[in-house]
Amino acid sequence: QKEVEQDPGPLSVPEGAIVSLNCTYSNSAFQYFMWYRQYSRKGPELLMYTYSSGNKEDGRFTAQVDKSSKYISLFIRDSQPSDSATYLCAMKPGAGSYQLTFGKGTKLSVIP
Amino acid sequence: GAVVSQHPSRVICKSGTSVKIECRSLDFQATTMFWYRQFPKQSLMLMATSNEGSKATYEQGVEKDKFLINHASLTLSTLTVTSAHPEDSSFYICSASTTGGVQPQHFGDGTRLSIL
Repeated sequence: QKEVEQDPGPLSVPEGAIVSLNCTYSNSAFQYFMWYRQYSRKGPELLMYTYSSGNKEDGRFTAQVDKSSKYISLFIRDSQPSDSATYLCAMKPGAGSYQLTFGKGTKLSVIP
Repeated sequence: GAVVSQHPSRVICKSGTSVKIECRSLDFQATTMFWYRQFPKQSLMLMATSNEGSKATYEQGVEKDKFLINHASLTLSTLTVTSAHPEDSSFYICSASTTGGVQPQHFGDGTRLSIL
């Protein structure tokens, strides 16, 4: 079993839809969780950074962490064509650890 | 804030050439920088971690003599692909983080390297 599992998609939704992206993980040592957005031929851009279980909201984006189930989610409300990109989840153990473990990424297309 | 600039964005060169890629943190001091490689439709593969003023730590399977990393200042790290061959063609991405590891990594826009 891989440390981080993420459905690669592709996922196509109509403009305005609510998008749900998910990752599961097996290493209970992971404490910090991130979502990155990567446009084609660009580097990943940090969207959300969370530590504890629960929800964190930033504009149209909500990150959800459930450590008991080892499951994290990113919700995008009122999706826009400009949200079309690959979304990568990433996680790491404690604060002193730099190394990230990435999911494979989910490719999202928002259709106008 | 937290801007990482990577240069060049695209390189096309002949086999046997050495190629240098620069990674700069523009508005923060990056005590630790990372170099990744990404194949098409794949996630990022960590190649090495470098701390300012120290030798880089390479991941298993990454040739340190092939991929030379220098992190001479708190804002600049370079990756040199020596005597590049077609199999070295890939998308190389750097990232940077500040002291303590609590802060997330911020990524550059990547360098697409094509070796003919």
